[in-house]
Formats: sequence, C-alpha cells, structure tokens
Amino acid sequence: AQKVTQAQTEISVVEKEDVTLDCVYETRDTTYYLFWYKQPPSGELVFLIRRNSFDEQNEISGRYSWNFQKSTSSFNFTITASQVVDSAVYFCALIHSYNNAGNMLTFGGGTRLMVKP
Amino acid sequence: EPEVTQTPSHQVTQMGQEVILRCVPISNHLYFYWYRQILGQKVEFLVSFYNNEISEKSEIFDDQFSVERPDGSNFTLKIRSTKLEDSAMYFCASSDGGLKPQHFGDGTRLSIL
Repeated sequence: AQKVTQAQTEISVVEKEDVTLDCVYETRDTTYYLFWYKQPPSGELVFLIRRNSFDEQNEISGRYSWNFQKSTSSFNFTITASQVVDSAVYFCALIHSYNNAGNMLTFGGGTRLMVKP
Repeated sequence: EPEVTQTPSHQVTQMGQEVILRCVPISNHLYFYWYRQILGQKVEFLVSFYNNEISEKSEIFDDQFSVERPDGSNFTLKIRSTKLEDSAMYFCASSDGGLKPQHFGDGTRLSIL
C-alpha cells in the first residue's frame, strides 16, 4: 500500500516570505512518480510538477523549487518570495508504476497556504 | 492550452436518483480518470479507464458506479442510486500516458438531498 502524508494542514505567511511545504511518502515500489498539484480557491486542480524515483535532482521553476530526497522519502516544495496569488491548497501525490494502463494518484491530505499582504 | 471540461458544474439530486456526470478529456489523451473530493478532505481516486475498459478502481467504486466512453470525445460517470454520502466534488482527469501527469477538469459539485 502507498501513502502520502502532508503533516502541515495549514500555513500562514506574510507576502515575500519563503515557505516550504512538506511531503512524506510511503511505497514498496522501487519505481514511482511524485507530483504536486495546486488547488486555488476556485477549486480546480492544477498540475505543477512530476518527478520519477530515479531522478533526485532538485528542480527550480521561477519562484518554485522542489527537493526530492529518497533517503527520507520526502518531496518538499518551496515557494520563494511568496505572493498573495500563491494562496491555495497544495497536494502532494504519488503514482506507483506496476502497470502502464492508467494508474491511480494517491493524494496527501493537502496543505492550505495563506499568504497575507 | 487544451483542457478537460466537465458538465454540469453543479448538480443537485434527490437521494436514490441516478446521476450522470460528463467529461470531455483532452483530445489526444487516451487515459481517463475520475476522482472525488468530499468537502475539506483529500482527493480520492475512483477509477481509471484505458482502451475501453476499466484499468484500476478503488473500493469506493462499487456496483453503484459505472463509467462509459459513449463516443470519441465524452467520458461519463454514472451513479445509479445516489446516497447522501455521495455528495462531493467529482473531478475528471486525462493523461497521454499511464504514468504521465493527469490534467484535471474544474469538477462537478454533486449535492444529494
């Protein structure tokens, strides 16, 4: 069985602060993929990033960066210089790769980020 | 940018009634999914569909649920006899590979009275 845990249910920061959202996962598979999705107040789910289990390089995209550490089963997400528009619920998710016929995403419970002006 | 579209955006139904939620996946995608999110909770997988058959389903996806791709563009979720606990946001998603990012629609809010 696989599991994704986002221990921070809610984080509040002031604009321009950096913030890190934690994600810890459990899986018995050696090959898997990790994702982050953003759910703004309007409710849709927006894909942010996918990482496979063999690629531990950190990734940066603008103000967003992701730190994948297999040794601690973590895939943390940092927003640098946060903005009010970053306010949303962020979900970490995992796919195991036992087949290639369309696999389920296992989501964490989400972290609600509130960025205050 | 191509997107997944879902209709209706909000559906209100009496308990025991059948409901069909509709989705138009991204046109070149071959993998389709339904998820649900009870208010304030995590997103839960229901079912995945590929090559005209269900490829994986969760425990939630019992005999009350069914999926169909009635034509080349639509993907539907049917709940045969709705219960109060079926009230949730239902998301459709599609991807162009079984392990590729799944792109979600805006969801259908289902309210069972």
